[in-house]
Amino acid sequence: QKEVEQDPGPLSVPEGAIVSLNCTYSNSAFQYFMWYRQYSRKGPELLMYTYSSGNKEDGRFTAQVDKSSKYISLFIRDSQPSDSATYLCAISQDGTGRRALTFGSGTRLQVQP
Amino acid sequence: KAGVTQTPRYLIKTRGQQVTLSCSPISGHRSVSWYQQTPGQGLQFLFEYFSETQRNKGNFPGRFSGRQFSNSRSEMNVSTLELGDSALYLCASSLDRGYEQFFGPGTRLTVL
Repeated sequence: QKEVEQDPGPLSVPEGAIVSLNCTYSNSAFQYFMWYRQYSRKGPELLMYTYSSGNKEDGRFTAQVDKSSKYISLFIRDSQPSDSATYLCAISQDGTGRRALTFGSGTRLQVQP
Repeated sequence: KAGVTQTPRYLIKTRGQQVTLSCSPISGHRSVSWYQQTPGQGLQFLFEYFSETQRNKGNFPGRFSGRQFSNSRSEMNVSTLELGDSALYLCASSLDRGYEQFFGPGTRLTVL
């Protein structure tokens, strides 16, 4: 069993739809949670970062963390064709100061105009 | 502020050769981490350097090594290349505090 599970998709939605992307994790020691967006043949771009349960909003993006269920989500409102990319959840291994991230496999999103 | 830069962007090598990749972190960032990305295994952590010391290491063979210089720039080296080493190698930097990591564009290594 992988430490971080993420549905690989592809997920296809019409422009303007609300997109929900999810990851589950197994290690309760994970404390810091990130979402990255990666366009084809580019490096990952940090979208959201949070370290507590609850919601964090930034523009059209909302990150949600439920530590009791070991479940994290990213919501994209009013999705645009430019949001078409692979979305990766990433979780820190622990809070000791070391910065190794464990990544999900990524969900490929296609927003149809 | 300039982002993370990596050189070269593309490399083609043959089996048995060695390769050195370079990473310049965001100004002020002292932590540099390296990751390998392949279609089959996804993004996997290689190692992290902080203040010229390796602070953390992933589950990769000893052929993979790295170092960090006093200006926080980092290099990683892969010796005795194998076909399976073909991948996108990503460097990420972060501040002393906080766990957000900012990635560079990567170096795409092809081993023939």
